[in-house]
Amino acid sequence: DAGVIQSPRHEVTEMGQEVTLRCKPISGHNSLFWYRQTMMRGLELLIYFNNNVPIDDSGMPEDRFSAKMPNASFSTLKIQPSEPRDSAVYFCASSPWTRQETQYFGPGTRLLVL
Amino acid sequence: AQKVTQAQTEISVVEKEDVTLDCVYETRDTTYYLFWYKQPPSGELVFLIRRNSFDEQNEISGRYSWNFQKSTSSFNFTITASQVVDSAVYFCALSEPERSNDYKLSFGAGTTVTVRA
Repeated sequence: DAGVIQSPRHEVTEMGQEVTLRCKPISGHNSLFWYRQTMMRGLELLIYFNNNVPIDDSGMPEDRFSAKMPNASFSTLKIQPSEPRDSAVYFCASSPWTRQETQYFGPGTRLLVL
Repeated sequence: AQKVTQAQTEISVVEKEDVTLDCVYETRDTTYYLFWYKQPPSGELVFLIRRNSFDEQNEISGRYSWNFQKSTSSFNFTITASQVVDSAVYFCALSEPERSNDYKLSFGAGTTVTVRA
């Protein structure tokens, strides 16, 4: 079975550019989570969707960040405009409705903003 | 306040030694879930185990074992007869759906385990 798929795996961009990260959750999973990992702050939740609806976006750092889930098999996290402090690894995770507390993570997108 | 504390930042052992990773958590909920994830050098996060607050039985899976003690709010992880492939960062995490009505994970800072040949 395919796990959580994220693209791109690596992204290098310049400050001010728009960045779009993509995630395909595991088929049949109805919850989707975006996390960010940095050396300073560790792993922190950015936003959480349940049945494609955003439930908790309190972790989104500021208005430059936005996330969408137009259908059950796709989500995007967009940063516009990007800043060097956004450099991090961004993880997408999904969980099934039968066991919502158990999250399975994608490989992550390593973002570097110059 | 930190909900999950992994006091050990780094542990270095020689192959075949046992290694125990400590995890202490803090919650007011009666229903909660605890997890361990492994992050190898390649960077992905691998789910290892889930434990709910009502199940205090210790669990063993191959060389891995987990000791859950509610009395001390601890969920420790032991790797027996460590191997080089066990070298990774290990994260303990907590989910408190009772309080927050969602399933987000609060992660500890992680413990870096290095196993030397």
